[in-house]
Amino acid sequence: NAGVTQTPKFRILKIGQSMTLQCTQDMNHNYMYWYRQDPGMGLKLIYYSVGAGITDKGEVPNGYNVSRTTTEDFPLRLELAAPSQTSVYFCASSSTDSGANVLTFGAGSRLTVL
Amino acid sequence: GIQVEQSPPDLILQEGANSTLRCNFSDSVNNLQWFHQNPWGQLINLFYIPSGTKQNGRLSATTVATERYSLLYISSSQTTDSGVYFCALTQGGSEKLVFGKGMKLTVNP
Repeated sequence: NAGVTQTPKFRILKIGQSMTLQCTQDMNHNYMYWYRQDPGMGLKLIYYSVGAGITDKGEVPNGYNVSRTTTEDFPLRLELAAPSQTSVYFCASSSTDSGANVLTFGAGSRLTVL
Repeated sequence: GIQVEQSPPDLILQEGANSTLRCNFSDSVNNLQWFHQNPWGQLINLFYIPSGTKQNGRLSATTVATERYSLLYISSSQTTDSGVYFCALTQGGSEKLVFGKGMKLTVNP
């Protein structure tokens, strides 16, 4: 199993550009999450999904969009990139089958907006 | 929303020492997890512990939900324990897992 795979690992954007961070998991997890981590800070939840076709906002959703058309994939779209979106982005997934909603994280995607 | 406070914010230890990390939260929780982020940024789940006590090798965790705190114990610390430790939790029926600001641990040889 690959677990949670994020691409790209690094990206530099110019202000106003758009891009999509890809996230895929092969564990058949129903829940998926996107977090951002600013330097020296904890993780802030951007969006999450409890299953295909269902998404909901987290703590800091402005400037981002998501979709969940399949169980495996949960892409994060940045429209009109701004310097404030410079951060490390983590995708995570979990399953509630066992009753313990334990998160598995991807390796992260470092985004710089100049 | 629920507030999560971790203490101490930073800790420096010599290899072999023990440590206790604390996570306080402002309301009842139904999902509490501890994570370790290594110096390369990788996040690993250590414990799922909404209540009670669990042990995994040199690490153990205790959550006292009625008093709204959780503790992570690290015994006989090693340099590989260095990194940032986060507690994260959800409240009520929410699926939003909220993270504390983390505690940076440095273990010197």
